[in-house]
Order: sequence, then C-alpha cells, then structure tokens
Amino acid sequence: GENVEQHPSTLSVQEGDSAVIKCTYSDSASNYFPWYKQELGKGPQLIIDIRSNVGEKKDQRIAVTLNKTAKHFSLHITETQPEDSAVYFCAPSDSNYQLIWGAGTKLIIKP
Amino acid sequence: KAGVTQTPRYLIKTRGQQVTLSCSPISGHRSVSWYQQTPGQGLQFLFEYFSETQRNKGNFPGRFSGRQFSNSRSEMNVSTLELGDSALYLCASSLGGISNQPQHFGDGTRLSIL
Repeated sequence: GENVEQHPSTLSVQEGDSAVIKCTYSDSASNYFPWYKQELGKGPQLIIDIRSNVGEKKDQRIAVTLNKTAKHFSLHITETQPEDSAVYFCAPSDSNYQLIWGAGTKLIIKP
Repeated sequence: KAGVTQTPRYLIKTRGQQVTLSCSPISGHRSVSWYQQTPGQGLQFLFEYFSETQRNKGNFPGRFSGRQFSNSRSEMNVSTLELGDSALYLCASSLGGISNQPQHFGDGTRLSIL
C-alpha cells in the first residue's frame, strides 16, 4: 500500500519568514495531492491541492509544488503570520481511491 | 452555507458498550466519509458512503460500521468498545469521490473509553 512520509515533524519559523513542508509518497498511481491545516479543537481544512497534470499551484501566500518523477510534493507558505500556527497534513490519493495521510507537521510561528 | 455538523462533541463510554455518532454533511454533498484520529496512528480512513451505499472501506474490524440515510446524513456505530477506540472521530463530506475532491470536515466527536 501507499507509504507517506512528511518532514519535518515540527517546524519553528520567525514571523514573516517562509516555511516549507515536504511530503513523499510511494504509490505511482497517486494523482491527487492535497494539503490540510488543522487548528486545535477543529477538523482539518483543505488549504490547497494539486493534480498530477500540474507542477505548481499558488494561492496568495500558499503554494504547492509537485515532482511526480521523484514522488514528492511540498507546501510553501510565505510571509508567515501567527494564524499560520497549526498542524499541516499531506494526504496523497492511492490506487484504492483513498487518501493516505501523513503524520503531520506542527508549524510554530515565533513573534 | 452550513458546514459539516457532528454530534455529540464529547462522549464517555466504558469497555464493552456500544456507541453511535452522527454526521450531517454540507447540503448537496452526497459523499460522507469517516476517519479516526489518534496521537499514535494519526488520521486513518474508516469508510465512505455515497448515496446510501458503502463505496470504500479502510482496514478496521467489523465492530466499526456505518450507514447513510436518504438525506445524506450518516451515522457510525462502534460495538463492544475497547480502550484503544478512544480517539477523535472525524466526518467529512464532499461532492464526489474522496480521492479527487476536497473533503470538508466537521470538528469531530471525541470518544473516551474508561
């Protein structure tokens, strides 16, 4: 089955700096690559997604890049703000039409 | 537009009991999926229902079951509760398939087993 690894597990950045989280997967059939943000006491919320026919997608301060050959995709957050503090999950699709969730990255924005 | 609603928010049960959790999806969404979230195992997929039929299933024992009603509302049932079933149970709804459409999550039901 799909093996998903997410790095780093914890990331601490200064407010205003950029943050990058990487997700590697093993299933070559994966064709949908979302990132979710989970705040304390809340359910995950989709922040950006990308499909296999696209290499990069951007939405204001958030971007996702996909390297299908190397089987990894990354979340990029620029000009980080205190409200970006949360746990971020990657969840690539697999050949069983399910999402396989990474273990999560706790992002801490230092004032 | 109202989001996904899960009830109850918190539940305390003892071993051997059974429990039913409820999920009301976003209006117009026909797919409802359930996930278990624990610190040790992370987010794990339980099952997905679409138009009252189970369309996909994760690797959980038969004690975990669900159903979906004609109005797309869904319930999840866990029988013969074990200590290891303590977790946050999340429900998500979407317009189409779970593997290619955004999932909209509720805030979960936190189940504690004593």
